[in-house]
Amino acid sequence: DAEITQSPRHKITETGRQVTLACHQTWNHNNMFWYRQDLGHGLRLIHYSYGVQDTNKGEVSDGYSVSRSNTEDLPLTLESAASSQTSVYFCASSPVSGNTIYFGEGSWLTVV
Amino acid sequence: GESVGLHLPTLSVQEGDNSIINCAYSNSASDYFIWYKQESGKGPQFIIDIRSNMDKRQGQRVTVLLNKTVKHLSLQIAATQPGDSAVYFCAAPSGNTPLVFGKGTRLSVIA
Repeated sequence: DAEITQSPRHKITETGRQVTLACHQTWNHNNMFWYRQDLGHGLRLIHYSYGVQDTNKGEVSDGYSVSRSNTEDLPLTLESAASSQTSVYFCASSPVSGNTIYFGEGSWLTVV
Repeated sequence: GESVGLHLPTLSVQEGDNSIINCAYSNSASDYFIWYKQESGKGPQFIIDIRSNMDKRQGQRVTVLLNKTVKHLSLQIAATQPGDSAVYFCAAPSGNTPLVFGKGTRLSVIA
C-alpha cells in the first residue's frame, strides 16, 4: 500500500548540531509539507513544496530548510539545532492543493 | 489574518452519548474543510471533509455541519466510544497556502 514514512521516529541531539529528518511518500503526490506540533500551538507549518525543485516557507521556517530533488522525498534539515526546536515533526503530502493532506506518524526530536 | 479555531480545548462525554466538536473559521473564501483525528503518539488521521457547496455530510457515525453564514462548522460523533478519545482538528485552506489547523479539541470518553 502507498504510504508516507518518516525517519528517525525518535532522536536526541545536542544544541548546535545539524539534524535531518527524512520523509518519503509512495503516493506520487506533488505536494509535501512539514509541520511541527507543540503543546498550546497545534500544528504549525514549517516548509512546503508543490513539486520537484519547489520549496516555500511556512509560518515557522526560521532555522529550518528543505530540498525537493524528487517527487517522493522532502527532507527537513535543522541547520544548527536549538532547544526551541524540541518538538514533534510531522510530514504530510497531498495530490493537489486545496485537497486533503495525509500525515506520517511523526518524528520526536529532543535537543539537549 | 485567517485563522481556524475550536471553541473548547477539552470535551468529556459519556460512552454512548453523542459528541459535538465546534470550529470557527475567519476566511469567508474558504471552500473546503477537513476534520482530523489524532490519537496519542500518532499522526493526524483524516476523518471527513466537506465542500462549501454543502451544508451537511455524513460518514460512518460522524456528521459534519457547515454554516457559512456564521463561518462555523461542527463534527458530530454518534454513540461515542472509548476509541473516539483523541484530539480533533479542523482545517481549511487559506488562500494559496496549505491547510491551516486549529489548536485542537481533546475528546475524553468516560466509560
